[in-house]
Amino acid sequence: DTGVSQDPRHKITKRGQNVTFRCDPISEHNRLYWYRQTLGQGPEFLTYFQNEAQLEKSRLLSDRFSAERPKGSFSTLEIQRTEQGDSAMYLCASSFRTSGAIREQYFGPGTRLTVT
Amino acid sequence: DAKTTQPPSMDCAEGRAANLPCNHSTISGNEYVYWYRQIHSQGPQYIIHGLKNNETNEMASLIITEDRKSSTLILPHATLRDTAVYYCIVRVAENYGQNFVFGPGTRLSVLP
Repeated sequence: DTGVSQDPRHKITKRGQNVTFRCDPISEHNRLYWYRQTLGQGPEFLTYFQNEAQLEKSRLLSDRFSAERPKGSFSTLEIQRTEQGDSAMYLCASSFRTSGAIREQYFGPGTRLTVT
Repeated sequence: DAKTTQPPSMDCAEGRAANLPCNHSTISGNEYVYWYRQIHSQGPQYIIHGLKNNETNEMASLIITEDRKSSTLILPHATLRDTAVYYCIVRVAENYGQNFVFGPGTRLSVLP
């Protein structure tokens, strides 16, 4: 399977705990995005990377959230001191940026987080 | 990015064409129209995109009006597996913009 993969697919944690999610993009893609999706809503942008550089962060990304892409390949999203409001599907997407070209984003299956 | 308006839900009979409308009256000249769909409990799936001309691929056709203020996604022969939420998004080219802004989309139910 050469698509975007995410791990774990499901995570249940207690309020106050830290969680970390991993995303492996399509191998030749240099852009990686994180989105959050709550029930009945469309995905909301959180942040994106071009190679290892984090180029934009949404105001939704509070200081409890941190994302990394250390070698420009896989990425991790960590949530510290989880709150019940963090319960959502966390989606990762990747795309390939070239000058003047349009490249669609390919999404992974998501990690569903439940904070109890 | 321009905002889009889609009907919240639609039904379509299996085997018939599904025509999903999208209004984007404030679209700019450098903004493309993208369509994605999301089947229950899966990540969004890219369907098609276009700028001015109509586009067709193996999944669907995209019809954009001449004034570019609206578009229609056509699934020519809908199957039960096409039941999903369909998102219409307008945004600038990849090398200018970054993220997609998803609205609530249209929930398409394909009925047997």
